[in-house]
Amino acid sequence: DAGVTQSPTHLIKTRGQQVTLRCSPKSGHDTVSWYQQALGQGPQFIFQYYEEEERQRGNFPDRFSGHQFPNYSSELNVNALLLGDSALYLCASSLVQGAGTGELFFGEGSRLTVL
Amino acid sequence: GNSVTQMEGPVTLSEEAFLTINCTYTATGYPSLFWYVQYPGEGLQLLLKATKADDKGSNKGFEATYRKETTSFHLEKGSVQVSDSAVYFCALSDLVSSGTYKYIFGTGTRLKVLA
Repeated sequence: DAGVTQSPTHLIKTRGQQVTLRCSPKSGHDTVSWYQQALGQGPQFIFQYYEEEERQRGNFPDRFSGHQFPNYSSELNVNALLLGDSALYLCASSLVQGAGTGELFFGEGSRLTVL
Repeated sequence: GNSVTQMEGPVTLSEEAFLTINCTYTATGYPSLFWYVQYPGEGLQLLLKATKADDKGSNKGFEATYRKETTSFHLEKGSVQVSDSAVYFCALSDLVSSGTYKYIFGTGTRLKVLA
């Protein structure tokens, strides 16, 4: 059973560019959440998708946007990259029925470096 | 808003030593509480959880008890091994709207176990 897979694993961009990160959830999972983990910090919630809609959003600017596809996979897009966007971006999948008590399954992350 | 505070690391112990990593939380309502572990180069994975007051979560020799009166969820292990070296994150589930939750993570505590 494949777990959560993310791509790419590493990427380097320059300020002002745009980036798209991709995530395939664990088989059978219907909810995808994205987190930003800066070096030495805990994951910070960006947003969550369910039924192809953004259900909730953390304290991130509109430069961060996302999408969920009918097969439950998801993309995270970041426009007008800033140096401060350099971080590990984590995708986590879960079941909506387990909301609040269930386990989040994390991918290994996409490490973004902005120069 | 809801938040999680955990002790700063790094924590360095000798093999077979007793481990405590403190975690306290601020929350309205009755969140579920979690400990996640991140091994080097890997994504986060659930270590244990507790969904209501006085519950004890346990896994792989680690334990934590949901203490509502002290708003705490301290992680303990009686005898650590070198393989326990990792970063440990305390987290809670935060009810955002009906049926919708997001997970709030602490900043993480790095544990290093020496042989």
